[in-house]
Amino acid sequence: DAKTTQPTSMDCAEGRAANLPCNHSTISGNEYVYWYRQIHSQGPQYIIHGLKNNETNEMASLIITEDRKSSTLILPHATLRDTAVYYCIVRVRGNTGKLIFGQGTTLQVKP
Amino acid sequence: ETGVTQTPRHLVMGMTNKKSLKCEQHLGHNAMYWYKQSAKKPLELMFVYSLEERVENNSVPSRFSPECPNSSHLFLHLHTLQPEDSALYLCASSQDLVSPLHFGNGTRLTVT
Repeated sequence: DAKTTQPTSMDCAEGRAANLPCNHSTISGNEYVYWYRQIHSQGPQYIIHGLKNNETNEMASLIITEDRKSSTLILPHATLRDTAVYYCIVRVRGNTGKLIFGQGTTLQVKP
Repeated sequence: ETGVTQTPRHLVMGMTNKKSLKCEQHLGHNAMYWYKQSAKKPLELMFVYSLEERVENNSVPSRFSPECPNSSHLFLHLHTLQPEDSALYLCASSQDLVSPLHFGNGTRLTVT
């Protein structure tokens, strides 16, 4: 699976948009970009995924560059409960369901 | 509530004990997974089951033995573990092998 690179940590002010970047320069055409987050003492939570088009759901927006080598997860109005580790994962469709986690970005939302 | 329930939430066991971790999903999913999360390390995929058949065994030592009796239940049987096996063990399920995973909140295992 292609690897991803994320900043180790980021801060965001409460109520502002949180923009979390991810580089996946070796991504292949059949690989999706997935985002999960893990709040302390809980299991990871699915946020969103996409192939090449931008995606939006009730939790977040996912912006994928045209060359697909990077993406940004946007939390439009961050709250204190969004403080978590955010994982960007590249996943091959149909590859026995493998979801390979990296170190992720620790997002700290501050009042 | 994630729809994936793991029991127990915490477990302390000696190296000579035998114990089992249980996972139950109420989502009607057909695939189930075990992950291990050690301190300061990324989540590691251990096992994948699809329609009760094991499809992935990620070089896991034989002291960990999974069992999937039906599509709603997954067990991880533990015996003669080592202190370095202390970790958070996470179960997940998905509709199929291409859908997003739904995780439980894990079992915190301590091996003494």
